[in-house]
Amino acid sequence: SQTIHQWPATLVQPVGSPLSLECTVEGTSNPNLYWYRQAAGRGLQLLFYSVGIGQISSEVPQNLSASRPQDRQFILSSKKLLLSDSGFYLCACRGPEVGYTFGSGTRLTVV
Amino acid sequence: QKEVEQNSGPLSVPEGAIASLNCTYSDRGSQSFFWYRQYSGKSPELIMFIYSNGDKEDGRFTAQLNKASQYVSLLIRDSQPSDSATYLCAVNSGYSTLTFGKGTMLLVSP
Repeated sequence: SQTIHQWPATLVQPVGSPLSLECTVEGTSNPNLYWYRQAAGRGLQLLFYSVGIGQISSEVPQNLSASRPQDRQFILSSKKLLLSDSGFYLCACRGPEVGYTFGSGTRLTVV
Repeated sequence: QKEVEQNSGPLSVPEGAIASLNCTYSDRGSQSFFWYRQYSGKSPELIMFIYSNGDKEDGRFTAQLNKASQYVSLLIRDSQPSDSATYLCAVNSGYSTLTFGKGTMLLVSP
């Protein structure tokens, strides 16, 4: 079965600082990969998804970007964080199994 | 805009009772429907999926789908305090993406 590794678990960053969150997948190849954000009191918001290396689709225009340099690696980045970027960031994978598998998440607080 | 609506709750039930969680969706073309459970501070975990109209049972959980009414529900029989969590309804929305509802918080009291 597929396993998603996501780090760090928690992060506190000042406004205007850069961000890099990494997600790697084991146990499957050619997975669809997703970045979601869950803000306080809100549902899961799809940020980016990727169906292959170098292929990124953005769902929400914002100051975040994503990259997929390898088949099982998905990176979420920002050059300058905003207060509104705070939230629980989740990487998800859709492999051969039904539905999504989620990583353990990164709780980001921008101060 | 594809939407998935859930009552935010909290839904409070006593231990041993049946909990009924409901979800409606706007995209009539949706084909796959999922229920995730999310404990506070944790990531969601898949508990049920359903593709066809009718009921699907897995242990204490039953998912019900009515595509004509664009309605999905999750029944939890013999509710336990460990079932206390937020339950997310998710619907496929094309390109292998899922649209999630905001979730219903379930509280099971001993």
